[in-house]
Amino acid sequence: DAGVIQSPRHEVTEMGQEVTLRCKPISGHDYLFWYRQTMMRGLELLIYFNNNVPIDDSGMPEDRFSAKMPNASFSTLKIQPSEPRDSAVYFCASSLGWGLEPYEQYFGPGTRLTVT
Amino acid sequence: DQQVKQNSPSLSVQEGRISILNCDYTNSMFDYFLWYKKYPAEGPTFLISISSIKDKNEDGRFTVFLNKSAKHLSLHIVPSQPGDSAVYFCAASAWGSSNTGKLIFGQGTTLQVKP
Repeated sequence: DAGVIQSPRHEVTEMGQEVTLRCKPISGHDYLFWYRQTMMRGLELLIYFNNNVPIDDSGMPEDRFSAKMPNASFSTLKIQPSEPRDSAVYFCASSLGWGLEPYEQYFGPGTRLTVT
Repeated sequence: DQQVKQNSPSLSVQEGRISILNCDYTNSMFDYFLWYKKYPAEGPTFLISISSIKDKNEDGRFTVFLNKSAKHLSLHIVPSQPGDSAVYFCAASAWGSSNTGKLIFGQGTTLQVKP
């Protein structure tokens, strides 16, 4: 398996523009997570899906952020309009979920977003 | 409010010595803890985990210790190798009580192992 795939790897945009980040989870994984990494706060969970349904979006910072998972193999995280403080590395991760204990989450390589 | 804290942003050790990375948490409902390692330009990868019913879990050179009364865990790497140089994230989950594998991560500690 190719692992979790994210695109683009780097995104530079101007303040006010719309940004769309994309993720393809590992086939067969039924949980998908979006994280944001910053120096101050480390890895923050933004939202996660189970079987394409959003379960917990309490980490989404503002209404400018939205995420969708139209099918089991694709998810998007959209920021509209983007602001300089949104500059960070955004990670997508997927997992089988949990049984007797939480299953390992597999992370993609991340998208480095710079908003000028 | 940070529920999982890694108070040391960085740590430098000599090759062959022990590396000790620390993590504190505040939520008493956390019952499963994990360490992830991250190299530059890559996503984090799972390293080792521990359930709250244990106080120690060992995997090769890596050992995680859990002190529930102090709400503290630590990762020991013995002996440290230059390839261990990376950012280490501590994470916690309240999966047993909430039936969710949602992970709360700390800020990360950058480990540098000098040859």
